[in-house]
Amino acid sequence: QVQLQESGPGLVKPSETLSLICSISGGSISGYFWSWIRQPPGKGPEWIGYIYDSGNTNYNPSLKSRVTISLVRSKNQVSLKLSSTTAADTAVYYCARERQLGDFDFFDIWGQGTLVTVSS
Amino acid sequence: DIQMTQSPSSLSASVGDRVSIICRASQSISSHLNWYQQRPGKAPNLLIYAASTLQDGVPSRFSGSGSGTDFTLTISTLQPEDFATYYCQQSYSTQLSFGGGTKVEIK
Repeated sequence: QVQLQESGPGLVKPSETLSLICSISGGSISGYFWSWIRQPPGKGPEWIGYIYDSGNTNYNPSLKSRVTISLVRSKNQVSLKLSSTTAADTAVYYCARERQLGDFDFFDIWGQGTLVTVSS
Repeated sequence: DIQMTQSPSSLSASVGDRVSIICRASQSISSHLNWYQQRPGKAPNLLIYAASTLQDGVPSRFSGSGSGTDFTLTISTLQPEDFATYYCQQSYSTQLSFGGGTKVEIK
């Protein structure tokens, strides 16, 4: 059974780069899209972007200039980097697997999430 | 960008009630609509995909309907464990987006 686990610093200073890792256990990176999604306190989820196992990426236009998602194949991990952070980037960050069935796709597996606070 | 709007933003209901939540897309998304349930402190959990297909293991009291721009999530007989926040999400566009959520509270 595939499980996802996010890890990284819980506190980031403004203007610094937020870096998180999603570790995938019980399954392979291959054949799926891997997304990062964040949820500010008390608000709905916001999709950040995804990477396919080919390495192709797609980012939310509102974050595109600051986001990098990459694969660490040797460790079965997906990484997120978000630069030039501000307090508005404070959120719970989730990684999620996007499964495709025919023409349809959906997030079927999520990590537990990790809270990142941007503050000096 | 496709905007997803949910209504109501919150509702109060009793165990045993029938509850419906509306999700509207800013443009047609065919049936590319998913529903998630989120309990406090937990990650969202997939309930329904492709507007009306129940995810494996999800109780049959949950159902989804709609296509184009208007969608509905219905809980036929509300159970204590159903008090949570529900989100819709469109996967029609490569720019994925979620609704703002509907919180179902105990009356």
